[in-house]
Amino acid sequence: GQQLNQSPQSMFIQEGEDVSMNCTSSSIFNTWLWYKQDPGEGPVLLIALYKAGELTSNGRLTAQFGITRKDSFLNISASIPSDVGIYFCAGRNNAGNMLTFGGGTRLMVKP
Amino acid sequence: EPEVTQTPSHQVTQMGQEVILRCVPISNHLYFYWYRQILGQKVEFLVSFYNNEISEKSEIFDDQFSVERPDGSNFTLKIRSTKLEDSAMYFCASIPGLGLAGLSSYNEQFFGPGTRLTVL
Repeated sequence: GQQLNQSPQSMFIQEGEDVSMNCTSSSIFNTWLWYKQDPGEGPVLLIALYKAGELTSNGRLTAQFGITRKDSFLNISASIPSDVGIYFCAGRNNAGNMLTFGGGTRLMVKP
Repeated sequence: EPEVTQTPSHQVTQMGQEVILRCVPISNHLYFYWYRQILGQKVEFLVSFYNNEISEKSEIFDDQFSVERPDGSNFTLKIRSTKLEDSAMYFCASIPGLGLAGLSSYNEQFFGPGTRLTVL
């Protein structure tokens, strides 16, 4: 099946710093999604990307859908303590299809 | 805001026992999904369900697993004879339908809070 490689696996940063994480795939996805998971909870959608090259923002979060459709990145600017959690990229091909998740990036923010 | 709910939040069972995990998707949603997440690992797709039948399933979803929508609100995952390696968080998700609002985050999968299954 399709595999998503997500990096870094974990990050420990100072409050106020910017953060960047990315996902790469050996095959194409038509949609890239970024989710955040807090401990003991389900993933919550942050950003959805539908077009190659698309750059989309949601507050302090910015994500891009790579031109080749095989990668995506997520940036968080001016991190705050509540940004702590695990961030997952996910790809899917067609509407309604299954999501393939990356391995996650665990973000820790030091106040 | 409408949300997906799951019960129980934590289920402990003995190896070989049957378990049923329950989900109540968002009320006007038509497509339903089960995923699992082994502790510390990524979220993995199990099965999708539409119009009372399975649309897609992964290799994980073998004959020990089954899904059902017994009434207009519940969506269940049954594991017939649990194994130790079935211990994981199980997440239910749903979407309204295909293309109802174009390509937008409104149509992406809303996840429930999960059921932690522990098999002893």
